[in-house]
Amino acid sequence: GENVEQHPSTLSVQEGDSAVIKCTYSDSASNYFPWYKQELGKRPQLIIDIRSNVGEKKDRRIAVTLNKTAKHFSLHITETQPEDSAVYFCAATAGGTSYGKLTFGQGTILTVHP
Amino acid sequence: KAGVTQTPRYLIKTRGQQVTLSCSPISGHRSVSWYQQTPGQGLQFLFEYFSETQRNKGNFPGRFSGRQFSNSRSEMNVSTLELGDSALYLCASTGDGNSYEQYFGPGTRLTVT
Repeated sequence: GENVEQHPSTLSVQEGDSAVIKCTYSDSASNYFPWYKQELGKRPQLIIDIRSNVGEKKDRRIAVTLNKTAKHFSLHITETQPEDSAVYFCAATAGGTSYGKLTFGQGTILTVHP
Repeated sequence: KAGVTQTPRYLIKTRGQQVTLSCSPISGHRSVSWYQQTPGQGLQFLFEYFSETQRNKGNFPGRFSGRQFSNSRSEMNVSTLELGDSALYLCASTGDGNSYEQYFGPGTRLTVT
């Protein structure tokens, strides 16, 4: 089955710096890669996603890049703010009739210091 | 549209008991997925239901089961509860067609004593 590895497990940055979180996946059939942000005591919130036919996607201060050959994808947050502090999860799925089954990375605790 | 809702939000049960959790998806969504979240294992996929049929299944024992009704609402059941079943149980719904976006409910916090 699919396996998703996420690094680093914790990341501490100063406000205004950039943050990068990396994930690798094992199943070459995976073609959809979402990222979720989970604040303490809250539900995971979809913040950005990318499909395998796209190499990069950007939404304001957040961007995701995908390298299908290397089977890795990354989340980039620029101009970080204290409210970006949360746990971030990457995930992967093969789509088709499997799109309801997401395999998640272990999560990255991001702390943005004012 | 209203978001994904789950009931109850908190539950305390004793070992050996059984429990049923409920999830109402976003209106129009036919796919409902269930996940278990624990500090040690992270987010793990339990199963997914689509049009009242289990379409995908994770690697959990048979004590974990689910079902989906004709209005797409879903329930999951855990029988013979163990201490290790203490977790946050999240459901997520996905729309049809070309959308793979999963939206999560607030979760049910289950504590087994």
